[in-house]
Parts: sequence; structure tokens; C-alpha cells
Amino acid sequence: NAGVMQNPRHLVRRRGQEARLRCSPMKGHSHVYWYRQLPEEGLKFMVYLQKENIIDESGMPKERFSAEFPKEGPSILRIQQVVRGDSAAYFCASSPQGSMNTEAFFGQGTRLTVV
Amino acid sequence: AQSVTQLDSQVPVFEEAPVELRCNYSSSVSVYLFWYVQYPNQGLQLLLKYLSGSTLVKGINGFEAEFNKSQTSFHLRKPSVHISDTAEYFCAVSVSNQGGKLIFGQGTELSVKP
Repeated sequence: NAGVMQNPRHLVRRRGQEARLRCSPMKGHSHVYWYRQLPEEGLKFMVYLQKENIIDESGMPKERFSAEFPKEGPSILRIQQVVRGDSAAYFCASSPQGSMNTEAFFGQGTRLTVV
Repeated sequence: AQSVTQLDSQVPVFEEAPVELRCNYSSSVSVYLFWYVQYPNQGLQLLLKYLSGSTLVKGINGFEAEFNKSQTSFHLRKPSVHISDTAEYFCAVSVSNQGGKLIFGQGTELSVKP
């Protein structure tokens, strides 16, 4: 059973370009969470999705950021018109249930560098 | 609102010494508590979790943590560390009615020296 797969592992974008980060959850998991880790900081929650639904996006910046988890295929975190401050590690986690006592499994992250 | 504070950003220790990584949380509702470890350029791996029952929780790699409700703490301990324990450690809480999302502390960098 493969773990949570994120790709790419490293992504370099110029200011103003779009970044697309992909997350394939573990088999059987229908709940996906995205977190951002800025340099020297802990992980900050961004968004929680179930298949085809955004459940909680309270941590998403109001502009330029969007997320989806379609019926088929991976979850996508999209950042439009990237700026230097978007440089960070973005982690995806998945769980079989969206409850507080269920372990979430993390991917290895995508490290975005904006130049 | 909930918050998690890890009191030490860096903890240097010598190999085979004991270590304690401190974590305090703030919440007006019930929470579940977790410790994760992150090795360089890797994702997070669950070390242990407290859901209910015994307040002393044992995890992988010889780590354990004790939940103290009165002090709102969940400190992580290991009686004898190895070089391979060098990593970043994160304390986190999940909150009822928030669908399993985690609130993380700032992390503690454990550096084990020979």
C-alpha cells in the first residue's frame, strides 16, 4: 500500500507564474489536508477536502490560492501569480476519516522555490 | 481558539543522555494530542498520540509522552537518545468538530551529538 504521494518534490517558479502541486492520498483515504511550512516555522493548516468538496478552507490565503480534490485523480493545490513569499514546503496528508482521533499520513512534501 | 507552544526551539544533547521536549497547549474544548517527527527533507511521521485512557503514552523508537490535563502539557521523553534521533519534532492537537485538522507547534530541533 503506497503512502501519500506528492509531486513534484521540488518546484522552481519565477515570480508571476503558476504553481500546481499534486497529492495522491493513500488507497482508501478520501480525506485530504494541505499544510504549509515556512522556513523555520511549524506547519500551518491550509485546507481540508473530501472528494469533490472543500470542507474547511479557513487557512487558505484569500487570493491566488485554490484547491480541489476531484472524483478521479489527485488533489491539486494551485498557486497563481506566485511571489517570493510563497516559497515554502507544502505537505499533504490523508486519512480514511475526517475525525479528530484518526491518524493522518503525510507525504514527503513539495518544496516550492520562487525566484 | 486553540494553540500549541513548544517551549524549546533547539535541544542539543549527547548520545545516550535522556531528553525531554516540552509542549503546552491551549484549548477550551477537548483535544487529541500528537507528536510527529520530521527527518531532513522528509514528511512527518507519527511518533505517538493521546486519545484517551492512560495518560502515559508509548510510541515508536522508544519515545513516550505524558498527558497532563491540569498543566495542559504533553511533554515527549526518551531515556537514552541515539544519533539517529536527530530530527525536528512537532507537537500537534486536533480539535473536536474540526474534522481532523491539526494545529502544530513551532517545532523543536533535537540535535544528538556523539
